[in-house]
This record gives sequence, structure tokens and C-alpha cells, in this order.
Amino acid sequence: DAEITQSPRHKITETGRQVTLACHQTWNHNNMFWYRQDLGHGLRLIHYSYGVQDTNKGEVSDGYSVSRSNTEDLPLTLESAASSQTSVYFCASSGGTSAQETQYFGPGTRLLVL
Amino acid sequence: RKEVEQDPGPFNVPEGATVAFNCTYSNSASQSFFWYRQDCRKEPKLLMSVYSSGNEDGRFTAQLNRASQYISLLIRDSKLSDSATYLCVVTSLMDSSYKLIFGSGTRLLVRP
Repeated sequence: DAEITQSPRHKITETGRQVTLACHQTWNHNNMFWYRQDLGHGLRLIHYSYGVQDTNKGEVSDGYSVSRSNTEDLPLTLESAASSQTSVYFCASSGGTSAQETQYFGPGTRLLVL
Repeated sequence: RKEVEQDPGPFNVPEGATVAFNCTYSNSASQSFFWYRQDCRKEPKLLMSVYSSGNEDGRFTAQLNRASQYISLLIRDSKLSDSATYLCVVTSLMDSSYKLIFGSGTRLLVRP
């Protein structure tokens, strides 16, 4: 069955370190998204991609970067982790760009920055 | 003001009860509307889309009022397994493509 996976599922790191969170989908979806979820906030869009070599900034992109070298993967990098980036990170993918398109979410990565 | 607002709850109801959640959105140009369900420490999953004419899926009924810019979800005959957080989601056109805008969620606890 097609799926979307994230790794690691849990990560503890220190302030200032570079961290990369992996996202891999086997849906063959063109569109991939990274969100963060914090208490009191809905999921907020960090970066997204509509295809290989395409990346775009979302609502809360500062301090994060992504790259899309193939269809299946969209790794999220925190260049220099900050305590404010402690959060739960969800990757999602979708097959089209219509307003009705469903996004499928990965299981999430819980990141703690000390 | 948040673009999508929900009462965080929790709504604590007995099994078999009927419970309703509302959600308001600020962007009158929003195109599509959804309810997602999120279990504790899990990923969000699509529960149902919300259509202008209202739609039903088993015990779940969704309504959209574009004039007042609110969306509702009604759950009849609540089950213990309905305990979760329900996320109201709207799609808005931003930078030439549609983005999902999430509410913070309404937590439902169904007790025996």
C-alpha cells in the first residue's frame, strides 16, 4: 500500500545544531508539504513543493529550508535549531492542486530543542 | 484575528449524545471546506468535505453557511471512539495555488 513516512519519529537536539527531518511518500504525488503544530495553533505551513526542483515558502518558513531532488522525498532542514522550533512536524502530500484536493499526512516527528 | 477559529473545548459528552461544533472563517474567498480528525499524538486524517448544500456521512453531518462564514459538524449517537480533536480546515487561494488553513481544533471526549 502507498504511504507517507517520516523519520525520525522523535528527536532531541541542542540549540544551534543543524537538524534534518525526512519525509518519504510512495503515492507518487507531485505535491508535498511541511507543517508544524503547536499548542493553541492550527497546523501552520512551513514549506511546500509542487514537483521536483520546485520549493516555496509557507507562512512560517524562517529558519527552515527544503529541497526536492526526486518525487518521493522532501527533507526539512533546520539550519540552526532554536528552542522556538520545538514542535511536532507533519509532512503531507497530495496528487493535485484543485481546491478539493485531499492531503495525506505522515505520522509526525516530535522535535525538542534544548 | 485567526483565519479559522474554533472553540477549543473540550466537549465532554456521554455515549449516545448528539454534539455539534462550529467553526468560523474570515476569508470570504475561501473555496473549499473540510473537517479533519486528529487522534492524540497522531496525524490529521480527512473526516469529510463540507458542501454548500450540506452533507451527511453516517452519524456525521456537515453544514456550510457562506453568508455567515461558518461551518458546522454534527455528530449523532456519539461513540467512545469519536473521542478526538476535530480540525476545521478551509482552502484559500494564496500565491496562485490553494492552501489548507487549519483551525486549532475542538477536542471531544465521549465518556461511558
